[in-house]
Amino acid sequence: KAGVTQTPRYLIKTRGQQVTLSCSPISGHRSVSWYQQTPGQGLQFLFEYFSETQRNKGNFPGRFSGRQFSNSRSEMNVSTLELGDSALYLCASSLSGDDYEQYFGPGTRLTVT
Amino acid sequence: AQSVAQPEDQVNVAEGNPLTVKCTYSVSGNPYLFWYVQYPNRGLQFLLKYITGDNLVKGSYGFEAEFNKSQTSFHLKKPSALVSDSALYFCAVRDILRSGGYQKVTFGTGTKLQVIP
Repeated sequence: KAGVTQTPRYLIKTRGQQVTLSCSPISGHRSVSWYQQTPGQGLQFLFEYFSETQRNKGNFPGRFSGRQFSNSRSEMNVSTLELGDSALYLCASSLSGDDYEQYFGPGTRLTVT
Repeated sequence: AQSVAQPEDQVNVAEGNPLTVKCTYSVSGNPYLFWYVQYPNRGLQFLLKYITGDNLVKGSYGFEAEFNKSQTSFHLKKPSALVSDSALYFCAVRDILRSGGYQKVTFGTGTKLQVIP
């Protein structure tokens, strides 16, 4: 079974621009979560989607948004990029339910200059 | 609000010795607890989880963890460390409220395990 895939793997953007990151979960997984990983802050939860509905949201500004499609694929968008948005963005998928472990993709490394 | 703490930024252990990576949590309901490992330049991998039942759970690569409700801890252990166990380890918790609803997963800040040959 193919793992979680994220595209693109690396991205360089300029302050003020916007970016869209994509995540394809493991087949059959209906829950997709997004995290921001930085050396200083660790893994910070962005949002979680289940069956196209956002069911949890972290403490990030409104510039960060996401969505999930009917095939469970998910995208996250960051508008008006700031230098502090430079990070590794991780996507994780899991089967439905709270007690299932998450499977992580390799991440998208975003650099904002 | 839920939280999880990993009090040690780094743990050093000699190869062949037992290892422990500490994790404590705070929830208002019941916890679902997880351990993940991140090898250099690789994604996070699931190691083990505690949902209910036996307090000692066994996972991948010979790791195990003990759930201690009174001490609100979920320490990761392995009887004999390998150099290949050197990695970044994350503890995570999901709070299951009595009122229902889905809570987010909160990760600890991570503990770097260094196994010395």
